[in-house]
Amino acid sequence: DTAVSQTPKYLVTQMGNDKSIKCEQNLGHDTMYWYKQDSKKFLKIMFSYNNKELIINETVPNRFSPKSPDKAHLNLHINSLELGDSAVYFCASSQMGRGNTIYFGEGSWLTVV
Amino acid sequence: GDSVTQMEGPVTLSEEAFLTINCTYTATGYPSLFWYVQYPGEGLQLLLKATKADDKGSNKGFEATYRKETTSFHLEKGSVQVSDSAVYFCALSDGNSGNTPLVFGKGTRLSVIA
Repeated sequence: DTAVSQTPKYLVTQMGNDKSIKCEQNLGHDTMYWYKQDSKKFLKIMFSYNNKELIINETVPNRFSPKSPDKAHLNLHINSLELGDSAVYFCASSQMGRGNTIYFGEGSWLTVV
Repeated sequence: GDSVTQMEGPVTLSEEAFLTINCTYTATGYPSLFWYVQYPGEGLQLLLKATKADDKGSNKGFEATYRKETTSFHLEKGSVQVSDSAVYFCALSDGNSGNTPLVFGKGTRLSVIA
């Protein structure tokens, strides 16, 4: 069983569209994250949720809206997609505790054309 | 704020060569340190970690030692293989709450040739 799974893995869509990426973890963790990896492989935190509550919201356009219906799920909705949103989006999860490992999903490759 | 600096790549080595990828960090607290690896077309996998000074993380022949005095966590492997070709990320997690997200370095691409 995949520990952190996200769908879709690949997404090609036109500018202006709205799309969602779903993420689920079966590790029983209480914290989930969304990271963005740009074309130069740089990884940056976008959002973090702990027990369904938003705890970190980095400087991200408000076109990006995360939703956590329960501890095991954290979805990312993107409105009015722009060319610059093309990237790989990684979902991740961890259990609260110093030094605990953060586990990553396989990524969702988003291409905006 | 917290930051991680790792050597720029790409790094190209012959099989069985010795590998070092340098990583230094800046943190306000007492961070935990990690190395993640990303194989082509895949997500990130934890390679090893260390949570306190002088700890050594090791996995698959890779090692890194948490050096507080030099704020470093250099990755080493004695004999690389073609299958080690990937992008390697050094990262830290600061704070005691445990749900602080990872801060990543920019990644170092390693290519190993037969």
